[in-house]
Amino acid sequence: QQKVQQSPESLIVPEGAMTSLNCTFSDSASQYFAWYRQHSGKAPKALMSIFSNGEKEEGRFTIHLNKASLHFSLHIRDSQPSDSALYLCAVSDQGGRALIFGTGTTVSVSP
Amino acid sequence: EAAVTQSPRNKVTVTGGNVTLSCRQTNSHNYMYWYRQDTGHGLRLIHYSYGAGNLQIGDVPDGYKATRTTQEDFFLLLELASPSQTSLYFCASSDAPGATGQNTLYFGAGTRLSVL
Repeated sequence: QQKVQQSPESLIVPEGAMTSLNCTFSDSASQYFAWYRQHSGKAPKALMSIFSNGEKEEGRFTIHLNKASLHFSLHIRDSQPSDSALYLCAVSDQGGRALIFGTGTTVSVSP
Repeated sequence: EAAVTQSPRNKVTVTGGNVTLSCRQTNSHNYMYWYRQDTGHGLRLIHYSYGAGNLQIGDVPDGYKATRTTQEDFFLLLELASPSQTSLYFCASSDAPGATGQNTLYFGAGTRLSVL
């Protein structure tokens, strides 16, 4: 059974700083890795995803994936108050038909 | 963007009560999911389906039944509700996974359930 853990549980960053979030998983055969963002009182919404080892950048957001280390991360450059939210990482299950989510990291960006 | 509608938005019931949560998606997605969200646990997968009549067990299925009546409609049933099932429930849908894995999940607005 896929196990997904996130760290830290919560984070406060000043506006304009870099935010770095971590996610570890247990099944090295996993093929799909994603980050979701959930603003307070709203539904989770997909942010970015990656399939293969390495790095992927979209605007201020970058994902790093290292399957051998069972680790992937999300980095937010020039953090804005609007980035304040719960960030959830997700990994595909053994059958590749469902996403297993981590416990979440709450990010607060202070103006 | 994909449209996933959940009803009711809020529900209060008593211990031992019978509850049905409804979810409808209008984007012809094959896959539909039920998750529950609790502080400190993130999103936990209860049941999912990849087509009408199909049901798959998730990670936390105990106390829950689900039924997929059509491609659009997916229901979550709590036949003997317990206080431990007080939670925020999300339904989601997606296309069939591509060659390299999952596709994007689109979530409904959620149903907040309280079991007294």
